[in-house]
Amino acid sequence: AQKVTQAQTEISVVEKEDVTLDCVYETRDTTYYLFWYKQPPSGELVFLIRRNSFDEQNEISGRYSWNFQKSTSSFNFTITASQVVDSAVYFCALSERGGGADGLTFGKGTHLIIQP
Amino acid sequence: EAGVAQSPRYKIIEKRQSVAFWCNPISGHATLYWYQQILGQGPKLLIQFQNNGVVDDSQLPKDRFSAERLKGVDSTLKIQPAKLEDSAVYLCASSHRTGTNEQFFGPGTRLTVL
Repeated sequence: AQKVTQAQTEISVVEKEDVTLDCVYETRDTTYYLFWYKQPPSGELVFLIRRNSFDEQNEISGRYSWNFQKSTSSFNFTITASQVVDSAVYFCALSERGGGADGLTFGKGTHLIIQP
Repeated sequence: EAGVAQSPRYKIIEKRQSVAFWCNPISGHATLYWYQQILGQGPKLLIQFQNNGVVDDSQLPKDRFSAERLKGVDSTLKIQPAKLEDSAVYLCASSHRTGTNEQFFGPGTRLTVL
């Protein structure tokens, strides 16, 4: 069975600090996809990134970067020079490709608070 | 491009009553998902449709929950009868096809069961 663990329930940092959100996953499949979503106070889930299991290259998008390591089953997310607008709940999620059933398994989320 | 639409946005009912939620996915998206998000937790998949067929309903409490997508476009999720523990946000998502594409989420319906 697949599982996603986000051990950090809440993180609070001061604006402009760097912050890393941890994500550890479990799956028996060799083909799978990992995602990060942002859920601001408005409640709507916003897609940030998708990574497939065969692509271990790290990715950078502006102030956001992702570190995927299959050896440790981790897919961590770093925000550089954090801003107040980054305050939200961040979810890591996993999707397997079993016969087209690819619903996401989410972690419990990390509540990120950026203080001015 | 219009996003995923859901209605109502809020609903308050008493336990043992029935309730229905509606979702209209992004135009052209063949795959539709319903998730339940209990306060303080991540969303949990309830059911996945591919066009008008069910792909995965393994986590749907079928004794009280039902869902349909008759014409392969919009979908309805029903709870009958509701229990206190059904209080949650019900999220609808759609994607262009399975396996590789991101899922786009609607704003959700917040259900409170008293």
